[in-house]
Order: sequence, then structure tokens, then C-alpha cells
Amino acid sequence: SAVISQKPSRDICQRGTSLTIQCQVDSQVTMMFWYRQQPGQSLTLIATANQGSEATYESGFVIDKFPISRPNLTFSTLTVSNMSPEDSSIYLCSSKTGYNEQFFGPGTRLTVL
Amino acid sequence: AQRVTQPEKLLSVFKGAPVELKCNYSYSGSPELFWYVQYSRQRLQLLLRHISRESIKGFTADLNKGETSFHLKKPFAQEEDSAMYYCALGGGAQKLVFGQGTRLTINP
Repeated sequence: SAVISQKPSRDICQRGTSLTIQCQVDSQVTMMFWYRQQPGQSLTLIATANQGSEATYESGFVIDKFPISRPNLTFSTLTVSNMSPEDSSIYLCSSKTGYNEQFFGPGTRLTVL
Repeated sequence: AQRVTQPEKLLSVFKGAPVELKCNYSYSGSPELFWYVQYSRQRLQLLLRHISRESIKGFTADLNKGETSFHLKKPFAQEEDSAMYYCALGGGAQKLVFGQGTRLTINP
């Protein structure tokens, strides 16, 4: 299994600003994923981040709002841009093993005022 | 389209009683099913995957393709089983689709 860390663990931000969340994996992985978990809701996939190519976004999520970087096989960032209170959520990253199971980071709890 | 349904948002049972958390899926291809658990103040972690047919912490889950189900079962609930449980479906594009989750509470 992979050990995943995220920074920051939580943040409170003002409307209209942007926040970049970092995700670090302790081993090289091909695929990383970013999820959003809105209050009281399940996890929704935002995008798949592959090293060396553009991220693949799910329906309802766009690159301008959630730009993603994947500079190497152990690291990825997700930026939440031009934030509004509706962006208040927990954001999680995960990595996939060879068995198609995913291991998750601890999450970043974002509150937008 | 891939879809996972967990019909019970909340489930409460007494310690020592059997537990069954229901999960139904919709997928036209060959499914991979997982159960994830999130204990209070801990990160989401993998509990079971159908392909390994294992028992973890006394929990088992059998994939029933005829009923498109992957229910999670434990014969005797323990207080430490109280947590949020998510059923997840892996299929095309190697991504996971999660159910809405079931909050399990074990009463003493």
C-alpha cells in the first residue's frame, strides 16, 4: 500500500481567492485521483492525474476551476480557483495500486467564507 | 454508466448482533467491488476487495452478479465497528465510483 500525505490539512479562505492543495505519495504511482466530498455527501471524482499528460476531468468539473499538476510520479497538486462558499468541502487525493484499489490521503478540509 | 447504491444511510445494531450493509451496483462490464471504511477522525481506508475473497476484522462480502450486489456482513458486531462504510465500484477507466455511504452505529 502507498502512504499519502496532503497539505494543508485544513484552510479557511475568502471568496474569490484560490487555494492549492498538495498531495505526496511515498512511492512512485502511475495514477493519482482527486475527489471532493461535500458536507454529508459521498466522494465525487474530480479528475484523474497522470504523469506527463493532461488531467482527465469528470463531467461537471473543468480545468479552469480545478487546475491540476502532476510533475512527477510521487506528487500532484489541485488548485481550487476563484472560490465560493459552494466549494467548501473535503478534498482528497488517492493513488491506485496494481490491483485497481485506491489508497487515500487524509483530506484537506476547505471552508470558504 | 457506473452506479452504486447503498440504500441505508444509517444503520444501528446492538453489540453481538449480526450486521449487513447493503450495496447494489449497476455496470455493464466486469465489475471490481470494494468496501472502504472511515473511522472517526481517520482517513478513508480499504476494508475489502471482492477479488481476494478475504475476511477482514470479521467482515466478509460476496459478489453476486445475478443480483448485482456486494453486501458487507459480519456475524457478531463489535463497538469498534462503528464507522462510515462506503461501497465502491471500479470498472472502466480504472476510476472508482462510490456509494452514498452507510453510517453504522453499534450500541453497547
